[in-house]
Amino acid sequence: EPEVTQTPSHQVTQMGQEVILRCVPISNHLYFYWYRQILGQKVEFLVSFYNNEISEKSEIFDDQFSVERPDGSNFTLKIRSTKLEDSAMYFCASSESSGGYYEQYFGPGTRLTVT
Amino acid sequence: AQKVTQAQTEISVVEKEDVTLDCVYETRDTTYYLFWYKQPPSGELVFLIRRNSFDEQNEISGRYSWNFQKSTSSFNFTITASQVVDSAVYFCALYNQAGTALIFGKGTTLSVSS
Repeated sequence: EPEVTQTPSHQVTQMGQEVILRCVPISNHLYFYWYRQILGQKVEFLVSFYNNEISEKSEIFDDQFSVERPDGSNFTLKIRSTKLEDSAMYFCASSESSGGYYEQYFGPGTRLTVT
Repeated sequence: AQKVTQAQTEISVVEKEDVTLDCVYETRDTTYYLFWYKQPPSGELVFLIRRNSFDEQNEISGRYSWNFQKSTSSFNFTITASQVVDSAVYFCALYNQAGTALIFGKGTTLSVSS
C-alpha cells in the first residue's frame, strides 16, 4: 500500500540553525500538508500546498517557515532560524484532492528537537 | 470559527470494558467532515473513520462504533470490549469544505490495563 514517508525520523538542531524536513507524498496525490504536534498537545495545521503554491496557511506558519516541492517527488518544510518552541513532531500528509471526501494520509512524522 | 472539543483528557479502563470517547464540534458550515484518528505510542496518526455532515447513520466496524448527532454537534466513538492494544491517544478532527485544513481536538488518552 502506498504511504507517505518522512526523513529524518529525528532531527536535533541548535537554536538559530536552519532545518529542512523532507517528505515524499503518495505519488498520485496533488495536495500536500504540514502539521505539527508539540509534545503532549494537539495536532495543528501549518500549511497546505497545491500546484506549487500555498493553498492555505495557519497563523503559526510565519515568515520563518517555507515549503517547497523541489522536484517531482519531495515536499519540504524549511524552518529558517529555529527557536526552542519549534521543538515538536512534524507530520507531512497528502491527499488526492482537496475536500473532506479525500482522506489526508499522514507520514510517520519527524521529531524536531531544538536545543 | 471552527473548533473541536474533546473534554475527556484521559480515560483508564480495564480490558473488556466498553468505553466512549466524546467529541463535540463547532462550525457554521453546512458541509463538513468529521474524522477520528488513533495515535499509538509509536507516534504515527492512523485514520479510523470519516463521516460527512449529510450522513447521520451510525457506523460499526468490528469493536468500534461511531455515533454522529448533528442536533448536539457530537461525533462520539465507542470501543466495545476494549483491549490493551487500544491504548493510544484518540483525536477527533473537523474538515471544513471551504478550506483544506483538518482541525484537531486536543485528544483523549485511553489506557487499557489487563
